[in-house]
This record gives sequence, structure tokens and C-alpha cells, in this order.
Amino acid sequence: QSVLTQPPSASGTPGQRVSISCSGSSSSIGTNYVFWYQHFPGTAPKLLIYRNDQRPSGVPDRFSGSKSGTSASLAISGLRSEDEGDYFCAAWDDTLSGWVFGGGTKLTVL
Amino acid sequence: QAQLQQWGAGLLKPSGTLSLTCAVDDGSFSVYYCSWIRRPPGKGLEWIGEINHSGSANYNTSLKSRVTISVDKSKNQFSLNLRSVTAADTAVYYCTITTGRFLRMDVWGKGTTVTVSS
Repeated sequence: QSVLTQPPSASGTPGQRVSISCSGSSSSIGTNYVFWYQHFPGTAPKLLIYRNDQRPSGVPDRFSGSKSGTSASLAISGLRSEDEGDYFCAAWDDTLSGWVFGGGTKLTVL
Repeated sequence: QAQLQQWGAGLLKPSGTLSLTCAVDDGSFSVYYCSWIRRPPGKGLEWIGEINHSGSANYNTSLKSRVTISVDKSKNQFSLNLRSVTAADTAVYYCTITTGRFLRMDVWGKGTTVTVSS
């Protein structure tokens, strides 16, 4: 069982906006920054969002992040078929003194 | 952008030691952290541990007794050793580095599939 909680699946049609939630605790998300990763199995994971809402260079502005209290969200607007894959949130946990990931959300583009 | 090349044995017997190495192909980048992550079949990402530029390491508490991460700055390489492996350690293992002060795990290797089986 993962320390951060994500819905196992999400879906949308091309062009739609989808949101993926990530719930933690006061010792993880409540105190520290949230990061989001995109992973297509068989390839290297990719950093999508850092420090809650910042995009690394090269990440389209269709991807956005937010955080409130002990929860965070990743939003993808203008959904494309190539967005289909797995998305993970991560944060440092002060109690565990380590990085924790969400269980991952499998995004399907219908 | 820096690229990572990783290698190591892909098939291990139970009780053996997993050893993987990751090389940073461009030594001109500042590396703040070197980390190892794994993804077991059908499961999510799991942080194994990290080592910073000063050589100080942090490990996942569930693996701490079996894990060592080390770095060889002269070769721009870092390594993972995981002792006493079991089938539960079967996973794709990724090395990753942090190249910016505010980033985290922003460059990743392609992954090494490790299977533990008798």
C-alpha cells in the first residue's frame, strides 16, 4: 500500500481536460513539495511537474500541477492519445525520512 | 541534457546480491542527488535510496538493512547493491539524477529488468 493515494485509473477523450488527485499526510504533502512523473512502461519515467506547480523545460503547458493542504492534483488539458500512460505523484516524507510515491494512475484516452 | 547508461546482471538466484551501475555521460552537469527507483511487475514506483554530492546516503526504511548506494566521482558513476534478494525484489530498476537545485529525479536511465528466480 502506497503512502500517497491516487485513483488507480482515469480517462478522457481527445481534447478534454482530466485531473488526477494525490492525497498524502501532514508529514509528506502537507509539509513538502509535490512532484509528478509520467511513465510509459518500457521507457524511462519523465519529470512533469516539480515544486507543486513548476514545469521543467520542454514539458507542454497542457500539464499543470497544484497543491492544497495535504493533497495535490495534476491536470492535463487538451488531452492527446500520446498522453496515455501511468502518472505518479511523489513527495518527501519527514516521518519516513525518504521519498514516497503514489500508487500510480493509469490514464486512458478513449 | 545529461544521459544515463545503466547496466548489471538481469537474473539472480534468491539470497544473491543485485549489483547495478549507472554512468552519467556528461560530467559537466552538476549532480545534486543520485537515486535508484524500482517498479515491480504490476505495481508502482518505489524509491530505493539516494546519495548526495557530499556522499551522504538515505535509504528506504524497508530496504535499509540490505541496500548500499555508492558513488565514484572519478568515473561519473554510481552503484546500487541490494543483498539477500528474494522474488519480491523482481522489478525494473531505474537510476536517476537530480541536476537542478529545485528539481528532483529529472534525468532517468532506461531501466534494467532484474528477475530473482531459482
